[in-house]
Amino acid sequence: SQQGEEDPQALSIQEGENATMNCSYKTSINNLQWYRQNSGRGLVHLILIRSNEREKHSGRLRVTLDTSKKSSSLLITASRAADTASYFCATDASGGSNYKLTFGKGTLLTVNP
Amino acid sequence: EAGVAQSPRYKIIEKRQSVAFWCNPISGHATLYWYQQILGQGPKLLIQFQNNGVVDDSQLPKDRFSAERLKGVDSTLKIQPAKLEDSAVYLCASSRSPWDRGYGYTFGSGTRLTVV
Repeated sequence: SQQGEEDPQALSIQEGENATMNCSYKTSINNLQWYRQNSGRGLVHLILIRSNEREKHSGRLRVTLDTSKKSSSLLITASRAADTASYFCATDASGGSNYKLTFGKGTLLTVNP
Repeated sequence: EAGVAQSPRYKIIEKRQSVAFWCNPISGHATLYWYQQILGQGPKLLIQFQNNGVVDDSQLPKDRFSAERLKGVDSTLKIQPAKLEDSAVYLCASSRSPWDRGYGYTFGSGTRLTVV
């Protein structure tokens, strides 16, 4: 089953604009992560935010987490054509020593030059 | 550090044939995962290993899929016999340990399987 659901399913913007993607999930989590996948390639880990954190930054990425609403957002500022990819949120909702991620269906971001 | 290695990169087989995928995780990573990603969807966990033991295989179709991780390092995922709906990208990932949740997974480039 897929824990996270990204919104929108697809997003098309111009280079230099900001891109915002949202993720909603259903159960309590230990952390939430965002991954990028270029066409036909594996997933690349972007950023991890723990359940007791509200905001995190990494370069042009900003992630927020609202555990009361069970939602997260990923903001990419000053987008570039190279940011064109699918973006997935993944939640770690497992207990104990079983570290297991459940992925959403992803948002396809297209950045037009 | 070297990444997660997977082979082959692409595979085309006829339905009812068998196929095997290979994965070599990052050195020292105790946990290894196999995910199935159907076109247009997110990855779905098939099986999780901790060293050479299975932690979770609840979503593995055991009548046709099997996996092993010999000596807690390399892993092989096999499908026998394949069905058309098995067409997907098979992703291998590894993580440091089940107790170290502060780091993300490292994924391989995947094997794209087409069943015709």
